[in-house]
Amino acid sequence: EAGVAQSPRYKIIEKRQSVAFWCNPISGHATLYWYQQILGQGPKLLIQFQNNGVVDDSQLPKDRFSAERLKGVDSTLKIQPAKLEDSAVYLCASSSMVAGNNSPLHFGNGTRLTVT
Amino acid sequence: KQEVTQIPAALSVPEGENLVLNCSFTDSAIYNLQWFRQDPGKGLTSLLLIQSSQREQTSGRLNASLDKSSGRSTLYIAASQPGDSATYLCAVRRGYGNKLVFGAGTILRVKS
Repeated sequence: EAGVAQSPRYKIIEKRQSVAFWCNPISGHATLYWYQQILGQGPKLLIQFQNNGVVDDSQLPKDRFSAERLKGVDSTLKIQPAKLEDSAVYLCASSSMVAGNNSPLHFGNGTRLTVT
Repeated sequence: KQEVTQIPAALSVPEGENLVLNCSFTDSAIYNLQWFRQDPGKGLTSLLLIQSSQREQTSGRLNASLDKSSGRSTLYIAASQPGDSATYLCAVRRGYGNKLVFGAGTILRVKS
């Protein structure tokens, strides 16, 4: 099966600019996650979708970050305006709903964002 | 607030050696614990998942144990190979629907 697809792979922007990341999960996976991984740290969940609905966005900086999942498939994560501390790898993951929380997460290769 | 700590932060061993990676968590009320592998520039690959009611899981040369009461898990890698070089992360889930909380990882280098 095809894995989780993310684009772009790399992005360099200046602070205060806007940026958007795209994720296409594994076909049929109902749950989609966006994680932020700062260098030297473990991934931190930004937002979790179940189909079209948001399950958890408690750690999403909502003043500058937004995410949507149209039609319960693809998702975009946007940052506007970006700050220096947003430099990180943004990972998208998906999992099937059938096995509940026992289903493993499948991760994409991530988008590396550098804010200068 | 759940916190996950991994020790050591980095480890370098000669090929063939058996090794243990450690993970500790502050809140023992977990639903499950997972070990992941991350290669440079790549996403995470799930290695093993242990339910809170289980003591260990095995896959090939990997064995993960869980002691929920003491808030500890170990990942044992037997007969290490250069291809095992990667960052290993553990993550815990508190309850159904709750997010995974990750440790910062252990960077492993196996020298040939």
